[in-house]
Amino acid sequence: GNSVTQMEGPVTLSEEAFLTINCTYTATGYPSLFWYVQYPGEGLQLLLKATKADDKGSNKGFEATYRKETTSFHLEKGSVQVSDSAVYFCALGRNAQKLVFGQGTRLTINP
Amino acid sequence: DTAVSQTPKYLVTQMGNDKSIKCEQNLGHDTMYWYKQDSKKFLKIMFSYNNKELIINETVPNRFSPKSPDKAHLNLHINSLELGDSAVYFCASSPSRGQNTEAFFGQGTRLTVV
Repeated sequence: GNSVTQMEGPVTLSEEAFLTINCTYTATGYPSLFWYVQYPGEGLQLLLKATKADDKGSNKGFEATYRKETTSFHLEKGSVQVSDSAVYFCALGRNAQKLVFGQGTRLTINP
Repeated sequence: DTAVSQTPKYLVTQMGNDKSIKCEQNLGHDTMYWYKQDSKKFLKIMFSYNNKELIINETVPNRFSPKSPDKAHLNLHINSLELGDSAVYFCASSPSRGQNTEAFFGQGTRLTVV
């Protein structure tokens, strides 16, 4: 079956540091890949997505590229801010009917 | 303007009680979901409804019964609550047609069973 593995957190960085959160997946067929973010006390929000191999999703300075050869969808940001502190979830699914989520990575950015 | 709204936001109750969580979406979506997030932040789908019909029912105890009076609402009723039911429950919705659709989530209901 489909599965998603994220790097274990928590991750703590200083403001303006470079961020990478690793995500790898196993899947049958050609699912879409997503990054969702959960800010403290809030629900999940879609951060970015990619629907096919080599697509790059981007939003709010975050980027992730759908790499079929390495079955990865790593999240990156060049310069993080305190407001980026949240839990980040990698997910896959052919559509939204049955998203499979990773275990989440808690990110804390210190000023 | 809230797209997917859940009530209540917090729910504290004793073991053995029966409780309901309500969810409504104003996005015109055909499909709604309930997800459970445990204390370690693992998110897992519980149910999926499409146009008021159950289409996904993962291995969830039958004490959990979703009810969809119309396609804009999907309520979750839980009987005989147990300590292990403590979690955050998220409602979500999505369009039913088209590949690569995304899900929109509510703010979550934190259920604590004591």
